[in-house]
Amino acid sequence: NAGVTQTPKFRVLKTGQSMTLLCAQDMNHEYMYWYRQDPGMGLRLIHYSVGEGTTAKGEVPDGYNVSRLKKQNFLLGLESAAPSQTSVYFCASSYGSGVGEQYFGPGTRLTVT
Amino acid sequence: AQKITQTQPGMFVQEKEAVTLDCTYDTSDPSYGLFWYKQPSSGEMIFLIYQGSYDQQNATEGRYSLNFQKARKSANLVISASQLGDSAMYFCAVFSSGSARQLTFGSGTQLTVLP
Repeated sequence: NAGVTQTPKFRVLKTGQSMTLLCAQDMNHEYMYWYRQDPGMGLRLIHYSVGEGTTAKGEVPDGYNVSRLKKQNFLLGLESAAPSQTSVYFCASSYGSGVGEQYFGPGTRLTVT
Repeated sequence: AQKITQTQPGMFVQEKEAVTLDCTYDTSDPSYGLFWYKQPSSGEMIFLIYQGSYDQQNATEGRYSLNFQKARKSANLVISASQLGDSAMYFCAVFSSGSARQLTFGSGTQLTVLP
């Protein structure tokens, strides 16, 4: 039981490049989330999904797109990376409506130069 | 919109002593959940404790307890018998089951346990 995994762990991009971050969970959770954490700050929600085939915007969605084609996977895409997107990205999942523990992945450190 | 305030950017505590980390929140939803997470220097987010807004008793998990004062909108974390391994960043978060449906985090408190 791997829990929540994220790929890759580290990545350096040049401004304007695109990339996709993969989040996978093996706990059969309905809800999945993408957060970003900037230095000295708490996590901020980018997008979330309440089930396969559904996505919704969080607090800071601009510049990101997501897809949930399979229940166990939640992808975060950056179409044209900007230095302001340099951050640590966390994926999380939860079983039900979210009023309960969210299980976090180990994070992806992204640097955009 | 939900908001979490953690007013202590850094705290120090002597090993084996108890420490309280402050958290106040603001949400308009009648049903919500309060969480505390620990983030050690390695970066992962570790769930510590949860309190539901309708729970009558304060939540406890081992050495962690949540001092929930609903009228004051306060959800302080108490760590008893601090250990060196407790040194980490601690985040308070609120989840609303209303239209927002998101976990909103505070800015965190960096706790250092002194030997």
